[in-house]
Amino acid sequence: NAGVTQTPKFQVLKTGQSMTLQCAQDMNHEYMSWYRQDPGMGLRLIHYSVGAGITDQGEVPNGYNVSRSTTEDFPLRLLSAAPSQTSVYFCASRGQNSGNTIYFGEGSWLTVV
Amino acid sequence: GDSVTQMEGPVTLSEEAFLTINCTYTATGYPSLFWYVQYPGEGLQLLLKATKADDKGSNKGFEATYRKETTSFHLEKGSVQVSDSAVYFCALGYSGAGSYQLTFGKGTKLSVIP
Repeated sequence: NAGVTQTPKFQVLKTGQSMTLQCAQDMNHEYMSWYRQDPGMGLRLIHYSVGAGITDQGEVPNGYNVSRSTTEDFPLRLLSAAPSQTSVYFCASRGQNSGNTIYFGEGSWLTVV
Repeated sequence: GDSVTQMEGPVTLSEEAFLTINCTYTATGYPSLFWYVQYPGEGLQLLLKATKADDKGSNKGFEATYRKETTSFHLEKGSVQVSDSAVYFCALGYSGAGSYQLTFGKGTKLSVIP
């Protein structure tokens, strides 16, 4: 019973590098999203998707890119990492069969130096 | 816009003490309300939820009542344990156009000491 799986769990990047945070869910959920968590800020929505081929911006989308080629996967790309992107990233999903409950992955701790 | 305000932490309690974490919200519609918990080094887990006014959510000895008249969803537990040490997030959410977005409070860190 995997649920929402994120990789990697920890990553250190140099400023200017690019990388992709992977997110996969095995619950056939239509809706997936990415949040970042910063001290004293709670969680803020970066991007979300309501289904394969459909993505949209959340509250803090700048510096991030997403795609949704399949129902299962929703990768988050950092195009040119900046220290301000040091954060904990959470992927989440929800489906019609889960009511209004959103399920979160275990998080990815990213440090940009 | 919508927002969630939680009491600031950290909160430190002795084991078996009574816990209240205040949460109030502003909303343009009729959201569902949630409490999520994050244990050290882990992701967020849904603790409890309420989908309409006067509903009470409960789980693991925690409970919260959706109070529309006071726009509140305070989290309570009668007797906390060391294992309850975590960060607690209050959130509200709507469904619309196939999406479901949550607005979170800033989180309240709870430490329970033996």
